[in-house]
Amino acid sequence: NAGVTQTPKFQVLKTGQSMTLQCAQDMNHEYMSWYRQDPGMGLRLIHYSVGAGITDQGEVPNGYNVSRSTTEDFPLRLLSAAPSQTSVYFCASRPGGPGETQYFGPGTRLLVL
Amino acid sequence: GENVEQHPSTLSVQEGDSAVIKCTYSDSASNYFPWYKQELGKRPQLIIDIRSNVGEKKDQRIAVTLNKTAKHFSLHITETQPEDSAVYFCAAGYSSASKIIFGSGTRLSIRP
Repeated sequence: NAGVTQTPKFQVLKTGQSMTLQCAQDMNHEYMSWYRQDPGMGLRLIHYSVGAGITDQGEVPNGYNVSRSTTEDFPLRLLSAAPSQTSVYFCASRPGGPGETQYFGPGTRLLVL
Repeated sequence: GENVEQHPSTLSVQEGDSAVIKCTYSDSASNYFPWYKQELGKRPQLIIDIRSNVGEKKDQRIAVTLNKTAKHFSLHITETQPEDSAVYFCAAGYSSASKIIFGSGTRLSIRP
């Protein structure tokens, strides 16, 4: 199993550009989440999904959209990038509810100029 | 809303001594408390977790304690070694909303 994969590893955007961060898992996990990590602020939950077709907002959802059309994929979309979205983005997945171990992807480092 | 507070933000201990990191959570419905270790440039990885029906759990040099009444939980690392240097995150699982919220992290440094 590849586990949780993310692409790209690194991306530079200009303010106002849009892009999609890709996340995929091959473990048949129902739950998937997106976090952003900023210095001194830990991991903040952006959006999460409890299954295909079901998504919900986390702590910091503004400026991001998600969709879950398949169990395997959970892309994160930035519609109009802003410098405040410069961060490291981690995707994570787990089999079921919060009591199950959550596995993280390798992360995407995003720089918005 | 849900909140997890973590202290201290930085911690430096002598090699061989113990390290303790503390967290509090806001929602009494929380029932799952994992701890993650993140080395520089790497992804967070689960090191230990505890569920609300257990007060303490140990795994070699690592232990976690939970006080549901006070809504506190702590990570204890004994006989610290240089490879324990990393950022540690606590988290709380909120079953009603099926999400896991993280604390702000503790940077642990082990002095030789």
